[in-house]
Amino acid sequence: KNEVEQSPQNLTAQEGEFITINCSYSVGISALHWLQQHPGGGIVSLFMLSSGKKKHGRLIATINIQEKHSSLHITASHPRDSAVYICAVPSYFGNEKLTFGTGTRLTIIP
Amino acid sequence: EAGVAQSPRYKIIEKRQSVAFWCNPISGHATLYWYQQILGQGPKLLIQFQNNGVVDDSQLPKDRFSAERLKGVDSTLKIQPAKLEDSAVYLCASSGPGGYGYTFGSGTRLTVV
Repeated sequence: KNEVEQSPQNLTAQEGEFITINCSYSVGISALHWLQQHPGGGIVSLFMLSSGKKKHGRLIATINIQEKHSSLHITASHPRDSAVYICAVPSYFGNEKLTFGTGTRLTIIP
Repeated sequence: EAGVAQSPRYKIIEKRQSVAFWCNPISGHATLYWYQQILGQGPKLLIQFQNNGVVDDSQLPKDRFSAERLKGVDSTLKIQPAKLEDSAVYLCASSGPGGYGYTFGSGTRLTVV
């Protein structure tokens, strides 16, 4: 079964800073998900990626399949980016059931 | 494109009462998931459907939880009777083949008092 580790657990930064959140997993996967959850809110899927890099607005996600590692970057961070960011991978290769990381709580201070 | 619809958004019930949640997945998504997320923890899969068949319900407390997806489209999750420890956000998600387009609903926040 896949194990997922995220770091850091908590991150506080000033508005405008470049943010990096890391995710490592133990078993080869078909795709990795980055999710965002605001306090009291549902989960929004940010990225699903299986190789290379994806960009959406100020968000960039990268993945290194060989190293079993992914990063989520936020450029020019803004207080509205404050949320919990969760990395999720299939529990077993080729399986759609997800195993979730514990999440990174990001707080952006104006 | 419409997302995954869930209702109600919030629910407060007393312990030992029953409650039901509804989910309508993205059109064409064959796979539907119900997750339970207890405060401060990551989501835990309760049940996974492929069309109207159950793929995985290994973590569903079957003595009190039940779920169905009769026509392979929308789904209901029921808890009867509820316990205090069932207080959580219940998330529904759906996906296409190979997990393509994995999308979560906004969730139902259940408080059992």
